[in-house]
Amino acid sequence: NAGVTQTPKFRVLKTGQSMTLLCAQDMNHEYMYWYRQDPGMGLRLIHYSVGEGTTAKGEVPDGYNVSRLKKQNFLLGLESAAPSQTSVYFCASSNGQLYGYTFGSGTRLTVV
Amino acid sequence: EDKVVQSPLSLVVHEGDTVTLNCSYEVTNFRSLLWYKQEKKAPTFLFMLTSSGIEKKSGRLSSILDKKELFSILNITATQTGDSAIYLCAVEKKDYGGSQGNLIFGKGTKLSVKP
Repeated sequence: NAGVTQTPKFRVLKTGQSMTLLCAQDMNHEYMYWYRQDPGMGLRLIHYSVGEGTTAKGEVPDGYNVSRLKKQNFLLGLESAAPSQTSVYFCASSNGQLYGYTFGSGTRLTVV
Repeated sequence: EDKVVQSPLSLVVHEGDTVTLNCSYEVTNFRSLLWYKQEKKAPTFLFMLTSSGIEKKSGRLSSILDKKELFSILNITATQTGDSAIYLCAVEKKDYGGSQGNLIFGKGTKLSVKP
């Protein structure tokens, strides 16, 4: 009963490097989200998906790309990392019904 | 633009105190209001509120929603050091309008409970 799994849990990147964060859910949820959390800023939506093959921009999409090729996976990519992308990233999923969201345990990313 | 505002942003109390956390919102197409507790990792679900005036309760925590005045409160009685966390309020919309998606978060209230 894994729920939402994020990999990796920690990563340090150099400016300009690229990486992909993986989010996997086993609850057959249609909706998936990527958030970033910075001190004093709450959770801000980066991108989201309302179903397999669909993605949409959130509040802070610049510098990130996403893909939802399979229903259970939602990938977040950083093509050229910048220090401003140092943050904690959370993935979440929901079934769209009147029900709480399920969050992954987060990825702490540092860009130096 | 839709917004959710929490107050206070931080709070320090002593064990045994009662605290009230506030959440006000201006959101179109309201569906529900959710409270989460976040310790060191992922937010964990506390309450979902959809109807005005009906208190939800779980142990020492309780919450209520006022859809006329557009706010919710989260009460914690007889606080313990284990209640130290960030408490997040979020409003769920019925639609996925625009760049905010359908779940709008406040900035959170950081609660510290001292022994």
